[in-house]
Formats: sequence, C-alpha cells, structure tokens
Amino acid sequence: QSVLTQPPSVSAAPGQKVTISCSGSSSNIGNNYVSWYQQLPGTAPKLLIYENNKRPSGIPDRFSGSKSGTSATLGITGLQTGDEADYYCGTWDSSLSAGWVFGGGTKLTVL
Amino acid sequence: QLQLQESGPGLVKPSETLSLTCTVSGGSISSSSYYWGWIRQPPGKGLEWIGSIYYSGSTYYNPSLKSRVTISVDTSKNQFSLKLSSVTAADTAVYYCARHDGDIDAFDIWGQGTMVTVSS
Repeated sequence: QSVLTQPPSVSAAPGQKVTISCSGSSSNIGNNYVSWYQQLPGTAPKLLIYENNKRPSGIPDRFSGSKSGTSATLGITGLQTGDEADYYCGTWDSSLSAGWVFGGGTKLTVL
Repeated sequence: QLQLQESGPGLVKPSETLSLTCTVSGGSISSSSYYWGWIRQPPGKGLEWIGSIYYSGSTYYNPSLKSRVTISVDTSKNQFSLKLSSVTAADTAVYYCARHDGDIDAFDIWGQGTMVTVSS
C-alpha cells in the first residue's frame, strides 16, 4: 500500500487529453514539492515534472503538472501512442516515517 | 552528460547480503546540491525508495528497510554503493541508482537499472 494514491490505470484515444491524480496528506504532498516520472516499458523512469509544475529541458509542453492541497495532477494533452507508459508521482514525506515516497503508479493506455 | 551505471551480482542467495555499486561518469559525485539514491522495483510492481547519500556521507534510509540497509560513498572512485542484508525473495527487484537534485527536489538522472534475483 503506497503512501501516495494513484489510479491503477487510465486510457484515452490518440489526440485526446488525460489526467492522472496523486492523493496524499499534509505530511507529504501538502507541504512538499511533487515530481512526476514516466516509465516506458522496459526502461528506467524519466523525470517529467518537478516542483509541482515545472518541466525539465526537453519535455514537451503537452505534459503539465498542478497541485492543490494534498493532491497533485499530471495532465497530458495531444496523446500519442508513444505516451503509453507507467506514470509515478513522488515527494518527500515528513512524517515520523520520514523518507521519499512514490505513488503506486498509473498505467496509461492510448487506445 | 552525467551518466549512472549500476553493477553487481544478478543472483543472491537467501539470507545473504546484496551488494551493488553505482558508478557516476561525466560529472563529480562531490557536487553540492545533489544526493545519490537507490530505488528498487519488484517485477510488475511500483517504485520503492531505499535510501540516499550525500557526498559527505550523510545518509537517509527508508524506515521499512533501515535495519538492513547500508549506503556508502567513495568519492575517489566517483561511486556509491548499496548493501542490503538478510535478503529474501521479496527483495527480488530491478535496482536503480539515481541522482536527487536538491535544488529541484526530484530524481533527475537515473541509471538503466540492474535485475537482482534472490534464490537458492
């Protein structure tokens, strides 16, 4: 059971938009930055979004992030088949069991 | 371009100690603002942070693994290492090393990962 809750799967057609949620608490998302990672099949995770809504160099603006309270959201517009991947949110948890935590991951299927 | 590369045995016997090394190339492990971490992923499952280390040797461990984990750094070799003791089949996973950039609070560079199987 992950500290951060993500839907197991989402799907949408090519060209459409999809959002992936990440729900936490005041000890993690509520008081720390959220980052998002894309993991294509058989590869290592790749940083997509940092500090809630910023994109590293080379990440297209089709990918966006937002945070409100204890939840964060990853948005992907203009879906492409190449976007099919697992997506993970991550942040620091400042509770008694302090440490870096990841969501359980969301499998995106582009129909 | 900074790169990270994991190395170590792909098969470990139950109750023994898993040992992996991450070699950093294209940059210095002693750069400020960066922590160096280990993250693992059991087959078909999600990511689990194991722990992180600063070049000075300061460490942070996942509380659920803390009793079995040791992460160390060798700045002269530009490497950091993971030791996980008393392993069981539940420790079978792909192990990734990654750089945690403190300025952006994210794991921005990852190694390709190495599969470690715990089996007799």
